[in-house]
Amino acid sequence: DAMVIQNPRYQVTQFGKPVTLSCSQTLNHNVMYWYQQKSSQAPKLLFHYYDKDFNNEADTPDNFQSRRPNTSFCFLDIRSPGLGDAAMYLCATSSGVGPTYEQYFGPGTRLTVT
Amino acid sequence: AQSVTQLDSQVPVFEEAPVELRCNYSSSVSVYLFWYVQYPNQGLQLLLKYLSGSTLVKGINGFEAEFNKSQTSFHLRKPSVHISDTAEYFCAVILLGSSGTYKYIFGTGTRLKVLA
Repeated sequence: DAMVIQNPRYQVTQFGKPVTLSCSQTLNHNVMYWYQQKSSQAPKLLFHYYDKDFNNEADTPDNFQSRRPNTSFCFLDIRSPGLGDAAMYLCATSSGVGPTYEQYFGPGTRLTVT
Repeated sequence: AQSVTQLDSQVPVFEEAPVELRCNYSSSVSVYLFWYVQYPNQGLQLLLKYLSGSTLVKGINGFEAEFNKSQTSFHLRKPSVHISDTAEYFCAVILLGSSGTYKYIFGTGTRLKVLA
């Protein structure tokens, strides 16, 4: 089945130690998104790619970066994780942008910062 | 600012009973409304969406929602729930952001727990 895959599902990193989360998709969608979901809070969009065009949300900290080397893969890099960055990170894809385009979500990566 | 409010953080209900999960939004412009479900250890899955037209929207798994513009609500309902409906439910609105791209604004979620 076509799907959105996130690896690893659980990630533990140390305070200040760079970490990379991975997302891949077999849907061949143009758009890929990264969301941060803290405990008991709503998912919050960090940024998205439309093809190779990167779109950063205005309130996304500089500590968060992303790479999309090809259509299928997208990475979330946290350069210096703080305790406040512990959260579930959700990757999603869509074939286009706008209300008529459904977003397909991966299962998420739960990040713990020690 | 655009926002989505889900007043109930948890809703327990017995199996085969009806359920309503509440969602209110704040917006003075056209809105597009969605309900997503998140089963344990899985990603979010689209249940239904309202873009325009009929205010009663039917989705998957027997769920439906009604868009009420005067009350700025988009409540989710199911006439008879099953144990398998136990999950987290998110209401979301999509809006056109300042960068010219659309983005989702999610509510904080309602955990539906169906009891045997």
